[in-house]
Amino acid sequence: ILNVEQSPQSLHVQEGDSTNFTCSFPSSNFYALHWYRWETAKSPEALFVMTLNGDEKKKGRISATLNTKEGYSYLYIKGSQPEDSATYLCASRSGGGADGLTFGKGTHLIIQP
Amino acid sequence: DTGVSQDPRHKITKRGQNVTFRCDPISEHNRLYWYRQTLGQGPEFLTYFQNEVQLEKSRLLSDRFSAERPKGSFSTLEIQRTEQGDSAMYLCASRQPGPGANEQFFGPGTRLTVL
Repeated sequence: ILNVEQSPQSLHVQEGDSTNFTCSFPSSNFYALHWYRWETAKSPEALFVMTLNGDEKKKGRISATLNTKEGYSYLYIKGSQPEDSATYLCASRSGGGADGLTFGKGTHLIIQP
Repeated sequence: DTGVSQDPRHKITKRGQNVTFRCDPISEHNRLYWYRQTLGQGPEFLTYFQNEVQLEKSRLLSDRFSAERPKGSFSTLEIQRTEQGDSAMYLCASRQPGPGANEQFFGPGTRLTVL
């Protein structure tokens, strides 16, 4: 069974501060790691897909890193803004032909003005 | 709007009734996925199609659940004899053809409440 864990479960951050959270996943039979941002009443929005150990991706103020040997990924948000408030989900895809994603429970981020 | 769409957005039904949800993927995407999210959990994979062929089904997909994609375009997910435990958000996603770790693009979901 492939378990994906995210921490913290929820996070309150002051506007302008930077923050980060963690996704851990089993490193055996790893294929890809996905990050999504999900705002209430909207579709989950794809942020990053990473496959290689040491991958780093960046989109504006948001960036992510990947360590496939130890099975973790970090998501960083620099200079948090109220519009960053959302649930951030990570999902792992294993190799061997399986195509479904295994999601963590998410980190619920609230940016306080 | 060229994203993934789902209909209805909300459905309230009584226990024992049948319900059907529809997903329209992004037009050039040949893979279509169904997920379910219950309260306090992340989305859980149910099944996926490549074109009209259902390639993988999770153990979560009991006999009361059936998914179809008859022409390789839109898909339907039917739940027969609904139970209160079926209350959840049902998400659909699609992705482009070809190998690689392509992103899955999600719709807004159908929220099912079984009374």
